[in-house]
Amino acid sequence: DAMVIQNPRYQVTQFGKPVTLSCSQTLNHNVMYWYQQKSSQAPKLLFHYYDKDFNNEADTPDNFQSRRPNTSFCFLDIRSPGLGDAAMYLCATSSGKGGAYEQYFGPGTRLTVT
Amino acid sequence: GQNIDQPTEMTATEGAIVQINCTYQTSGFNGLFWYQQHAGEAPTFLSYNVLDGLEEKGRFSSFLSRSKGYSYLLLKELQMKDSASYLCAVMDSNYQLIWGAGTKLIIKP
Repeated sequence: DAMVIQNPRYQVTQFGKPVTLSCSQTLNHNVMYWYQQKSSQAPKLLFHYYDKDFNNEADTPDNFQSRRPNTSFCFLDIRSPGLGDAAMYLCATSSGKGGAYEQYFGPGTRLTVT
Repeated sequence: GQNIDQPTEMTATEGAIVQINCTYQTSGFNGLFWYQQHAGEAPTFLSYNVLDGLEEKGRFSSFLSRSKGYSYLLLKELQMKDSASYLCAVMDSNYQLIWGAGTKLIIKP
């Protein structure tokens, strides 16, 4: 089945220790998104790619970086995680950026910072 | 600023009907989405409205009034598995999704 896969599902890291979250998709979608979601809050868009065109949201902290080496893979790097970065990180894809294109989400990676 | 408002929590009884409201103020409008999110899981797509009116899909229906900046999600014949958060999201003029914080729906037997 075509899908969005995120690894790992659960990640524990120490304060200040860099961590990388990965996302892969078999849907061959052009657009990939990274969201941060904290408990009972709306998903917050961090980045999105339209093909190789990278878009960084204005309020995404510099501590967060992203890479998309090819259509199928996308990575989220957190250079120096703080306690406030503990959250669910969701990867999503869509086949286009227009209004009718729904986003398909991966299962998420729950990040704990100790 | 851009804003999506929906109730924080609602409770309903198994077998009943519930309506979850969403009001929005965004810069432009390119459609409204409803997603379902079970606790600890990713959101899954439920519906998309871009024109005024009611879209029905099985037990779930979604309504949109663009002039009022208003939508609702109607869930019929509630089942225990419908216990989840329901997120309203609006696509603005830049094709960015503006998300609400979600409505946590609790179903009681």
